[in-house]
Amino acid sequence: DIQMTQSPSSVSASVGDRVTITCRASQSIGNWLAWYQQKPGKAPKLLISAASNLQSGVPSRFSGSGSGRYFTLSISNLQPEDFATYYCQQANAFRGITFGQGTRLEIK
Amino acid sequence: QVQLQESGPGLVKPSQTLSLTCTVSGGSINSGGYYWSWIRQHPEKGLEWIGYIYYSGRIYYNPSLKSRLTISVGTSENQFSLKLTSVTTADTAVYYCARDGVGRDGNNFYFDYWGQGILVTVSS
Repeated sequence: DIQMTQSPSSVSASVGDRVTITCRASQSIGNWLAWYQQKPGKAPKLLISAASNLQSGVPSRFSGSGSGRYFTLSISNLQPEDFATYYCQQANAFRGITFGQGTRLEIK
Repeated sequence: QVQLQESGPGLVKPSQTLSLTCTVSGGSINSGGYYWSWIRQHPEKGLEWIGYIYYSGRIYYNPSLKSRLTISVGTSENQFSLKLTSVTTADTAVYYCARDGVGRDGNNFYFDYWGQGILVTVSS
């Protein structure tokens, strides 16, 4: 299976800040990458598919980029509701759907 | 609005079989076009994809679980199920059912609808 490694594992930021989370794949995955947001006690929420496609209803302050092995999720103008855990996911089933270990975004 | 709901026992003894059902409302599994998955999350840890099923019966399992796993479409057209045999404490997790509503090609999976999750504890 392809290993997905996120960094940092946790980050502290303030409302209004910009934050970038990185996801690295152990081998090239093209643009087969998703980003999810998870809040305590809730299921993950799909934010971005195919590395950079923002899902309907997701605020435009979220953006994704990258291809191959390196991907980023950026959140600009952080809002209180953005403090959560974020996961990347390798999307191709035949290469083994796998998730990163998560990045916890905390309020500074 | 599509909704998914997991159901089943919250406690399973070691070596027994874990059985869960996902009930889909607001859409029909048998209408095709979507792939339906099980995903689990170990306590305070990350996410693990278990496998998927298509209404036609096409299935694909995580190789690490394949020998113990069965995913099937339920007797009701809006249900699919998970059976995991010979469970151990390592199978304790929150189990989610989810829909791939973006890839929709059986190759790439992006999970746009999820159930609320059900905690299954393996303990004697």
